[in-house]
Amino acid sequence: AQSVTQLGSHVSVSEGALVLLRCNYSSSVPPYLFWYVQYPNQGLQLLLKYTSAATLVKGINGFEAEFKKSETSFHLTKPSAHMSDAAEYFCAVSDQSGNTPLVFGKGTRLSVIA
Amino acid sequence: GAVVSQHPSWVICKSGTSVKIECRSLDFQATTMFWYRQFPKQSLMLMATSNEGSKATYEQGVEKDKFLINHASLTLSTLTVTSAHPEDSSFYICSARPSYEQYFGPGTRLTVT
Repeated sequence: AQSVTQLGSHVSVSEGALVLLRCNYSSSVPPYLFWYVQYPNQGLQLLLKYTSAATLVKGINGFEAEFKKSETSFHLTKPSAHMSDAAEYFCAVSDQSGNTPLVFGKGTRLSVIA
Repeated sequence: GAVVSQHPSWVICKSGTSVKIECRSLDFQATTMFWYRQFPKQSLMLMATSNEGSKATYEQGVEKDKFLINHASLTLSTLTVTSAHPEDSSFYICSARPSYEQYFGPGTRLTVT
């Protein structure tokens, strides 16, 4: 069984400040990990993914995440927040077979203050 | 990249009527599609896995007779909410996967009055 825990349902940062959104996973098999962003009344857009290659993964819009097996974490970071980053962020896990659907965390709403 | 579309993007219907939502993979074939439901300010909850040419697999607690899924081709899956009630009002999102990665549709906002 797989699960994802996102610490903090709401994170607020100032424009230009570091963004850190936390994600811890639980998986009995080697996982694939994903971060998605969702803007209001829209679907999900893939930010980045870990698929057992490099542990530091760079995504779109300046985001990156580091897979740490020892900590079972896959935290999302961005050095400098922009107003347009305000959205809901979801961490998700799947196995590497491609046969099982993604399991999502509960999401973290990011607010960016001018 | 892979594109998934949904139609309609929003729909309002009266209680007791049925609503069909379409999910299409536009530039790839998908033997498997997934249907999720999202309530306001909540995460996505998997409803069912739709398999082309066979019956859908429903998650525990999801009524298969209420949420009818048909995956008639490699590019189209439909979700029909039968005899809709106000508690079925939600955001429904489909996804499809050409490989291990899932691509999501833009979602359908269903409001039942």
